[in-house]
Amino acid sequence: SYVLTQPPSVSVAPGQTARVPCGGNNIGSKSVHWYQQKPGQAPVLVVYDDNDRPSGIVERFSGSRSGNTATLTISRVEAGDEADYYCQVWDNFYSQGGVIFGGGTKLTVL
Amino acid sequence: QITLNESGPTLVKPTQTLTLTCTFSGFSLTNGGVGVGWIRQPPGKALEWLALIYWDDDKRYSPSLKSRLTVTKDTSKNQVVLTMTNVDPVDTATYYCAHYTTVHWFHPWGQGTLVTVSS
Repeated sequence: SYVLTQPPSVSVAPGQTARVPCGGNNIGSKSVHWYQQKPGQAPVLVVYDDNDRPSGIVERFSGSRSGNTATLTISRVEAGDEADYYCQVWDNFYSQGGVIFGGGTKLTVL
Repeated sequence: QITLNESGPTLVKPTQTLTLTCTFSGFSLTNGGVGVGWIRQPPGKALEWLALIYWDDDKRYSPSLKSRLTVTKDTSKNQVVLTMTNVDPVDTATYYCAHYTTVHWFHPWGQGTLVTVSS
């Protein structure tokens, strides 16, 4: 089945830009969604359909795709952005389809 | 405002059947394009998708767990029920339900319920 690959961790200094990659074969043909999960909390959708934000999500969060990689970009990183980030797609496997999550990336704000 | 809340046992013995209920408000599972999904997360590990049920009773399951899962809905109660048979300690996890649509993202999520499988 389809696999989404994320690095286990990414570190960034406050005020800098964090980029969280999500690799997948031919990911350009799929819509990618991103979730933020802080410790002890449920995941929260921060980007959907590659680069749209739900109501209440700040503009510092954006998404993009290039080749076989989708990227979540967090501009002007703040301490409060420290969390796990997961990418997600829908894949038409076994002729029925289903949801695929990446393995998650822990963002550390130095 | 859409809200979801998971409920069920906190402790289940190996080989037993786990039944979890997702009670929601702010939307109806009779409306076209709407669904509810189940996702779990073992302690310290990644999210794992389990199942989906749509307004038209279409259902999708994770291939690796399909033989053990059943998802149903009760539109009159605004509830979705997930059953998992023959549980094992590796099924210990926080189980989440979430609002889902045919555009394929989960938003919002319930707060989750921790289920421990142990004798």
